[in-house]
Amino acid sequence: DTAVSQTPKYLVTQMGNDKSIKCEQNLGHDTMYWYKQDSKKFLKIMFSYNNKELIINETVPNRFSPKSPDKAHLNLHINSLELGDSAVYFCASSHFGAYEQYFGPGTRLTVT
Amino acid sequence: SQELEQSPQSLIVQEGKNLTINCTSSKTLYGLYWYKQKYGEGLIFLMMLQKGGEEKSHEKITAKLDEKKQQSSLHITASQPSHAGIYLCGAASSANSKLTFGKGITLSVRP
Repeated sequence: DTAVSQTPKYLVTQMGNDKSIKCEQNLGHDTMYWYKQDSKKFLKIMFSYNNKELIINETVPNRFSPKSPDKAHLNLHINSLELGDSAVYFCASSHFGAYEQYFGPGTRLTVT
Repeated sequence: SQELEQSPQSLIVQEGKNLTINCTSSKTLYGLYWYKQKYGEGLIFLMMLQKGGEEKSHEKITAKLDEKKQQSSLHITASQPSHAGIYLCGAASSANSKLTFGKGITLSVRP
């Protein structure tokens, strides 16, 4: 059984398009995260939600909009995609305040 | 903001050799977390260190925390091809603060 799942695994799209990545966890965690890993493998947090409420919002362009319909889901919508958005996006979850985070397999986004 | 420097950037070792990688924080550590990432996959939690001098082991991997130096080391004994991957350290500067990650160390183990 997959603990943290993301869809799609790969996403290739053109500049200017709008796309969404979905994340679901079945671990009963109340906190979920979106991370971006660039081509140099540098992993940076983008957003964190606790019980559907935004608690961490790093300096991310407002083209990126997370949405958490419930504790088990955190989706990421990206408007007007740019070349620099190409990266691997990871979803993760944990209990609130815990740093033992469980990561999804990642979504490799390529913007052409 | 907290920054983590990992060294070396990459490492290639022969199977069976021991190795040590390091993670140094620019700020006081509230906790230090080691993760491993295999190519094309997500991160897997390895160990958490919170107290100065703390040492934890899991199978052939041992991690230590030197609170004064704001540094952690991860030691692998008798490395195997299964140890290959990217090792990332993550740290928090206070309770409930975000987790900041280092750039990772790519480890290759030659059979």
